[in-house]
Parts: sequence; structure tokens; C-alpha cells
Amino acid sequence: AQTVTQSQPEMSVQEAETVTLSCTYDTSESDYYLFWYKQPPSRQMILVIRQEAYKQQNATENRFSVNFQKAAKSFSLKISDSQLGDAAMYFCAYRSLGDDKIIFGKGTRLHILP
Amino acid sequence: DTGVSQDPRHKITKRGQNVTFRCDPISEHNRLYWYRQTLGQGPEFLTYFQNEAQLEKSRLLSDRFSAERPKGSFSTLEIQRTEQGDSAMYLCASSTVYEQYFGPGTRLTVT
Repeated sequence: AQTVTQSQPEMSVQEAETVTLSCTYDTSESDYYLFWYKQPPSRQMILVIRQEAYKQQNATENRFSVNFQKAAKSFSLKISDSQLGDAAMYFCAYRSLGDDKIIFGKGTRLHILP
Repeated sequence: DTGVSQDPRHKITKRGQNVTFRCDPISEHNRLYWYRQTLGQGPEFLTYFQNEAQLEKSRLLSDRFSAERPKGSFSTLEIQRTEQGDSAMYLCASSTVYEQYFGPGTRLTVT
């Protein structure tokens, strides 16, 4: 069975600085999707970034980028120029190619210090 | 249409009572998912519909849980004889192919 592990329950970063959230996963499959979701306090979860496993190029969305290391089964999220609105729970997630359900990690709570 | 909606947003019930939650997906999405999120955890998959067909159910979904999606539109999740362990946030999501769009969730508290 696939698993997703986020080893940092909480992190803090100064506004305008860069922070990296870690994620590792376990799977025997070669094709899959990886995601980072953001869940702000009392607000709904939104997709931050998606990575297809067959793509070697790391995904980027504005200030958000990933470091996808397929052999190491590592998928970290880098947030550049952190803003107060980035404060949230961040979930790393996995989805098999032939499956529809998403498997989530336990999350990392990110605090932005003004 | 602005996204996935869920009703109610909060529900407090006494142990042993039945509760029903509703999810309205994004109108053109044919796939609908239910997840449960307990405090300090990520969401856990419960069940999934493609149109009106329920295609997969997690082992987390005990016999007290039932979900429907009549006519492939909105979905309901019913919990019978609620237990304190059912207290959680129940999230609904809908999708076309890649991205699942989540609703705000229904927070259930069983006293």
C-alpha cells in the first residue's frame, strides 16, 4: 500500500523568506501523481501544485516549486518570498495513475512570522 | 457556480442519532469523493462515485455509513447510530480527470 510521510508537524518562516516543506512517499508503482494541497484555517483545501511522475522537470507555480526526486521517493515544496497568506496546513498527497482516491500525509502547519 | 458546496457546515448530534450530510459538486464534474479528516490528520478516503455509480468504498466506511448520488448530481452521506469516534470533518470533492476540488467540509461533533 502507498504511504505519504511528512516529518515536520510545524514550521515557521519569516515573511519574505524561503521555506521548504519535506515529503517522502512509498510506492511500488512507476507512474503516479504527487500533489501539495493547502488548507488555510477554517477554509477549504486548494491544490497548490501537481507533479506527474513521468515528468523529470520539476513543477513550478509562481512562488511555489517542487523538488521531485523519484529514485529517493522525495517530493519537497519550496515557497519563495513567503507571505502572510501562505499560513496554512500543507498536505503532501499521492494518487496512483489508475486510481482516483488521493492518499494524504498528516500535514505540516506553516506559520509566517511578520 | 463557484465551487463544491457542503451542507451543513457544522453538526452537533447526540450519540446514537442519525445524521445526513449533503454535497453539491461543480456542475460539470462527473466524479465525486468523500473523505474524513480527524484532528491532526490528513483526509482519509471514504468512497467515490462516477456519475451515480459508487465505484469504491474504503474499509473505513462501516455498515453504519451509506452514501448515495442519485442522478449523478448531488451526493448524501448518512451516518446511522453515530458514535463519538465519528466526530470529524467530512470533506467532499469533485473532479473531472486530474484535480480534485474540495468543499469546505461538514464538521461533525458527536456528544
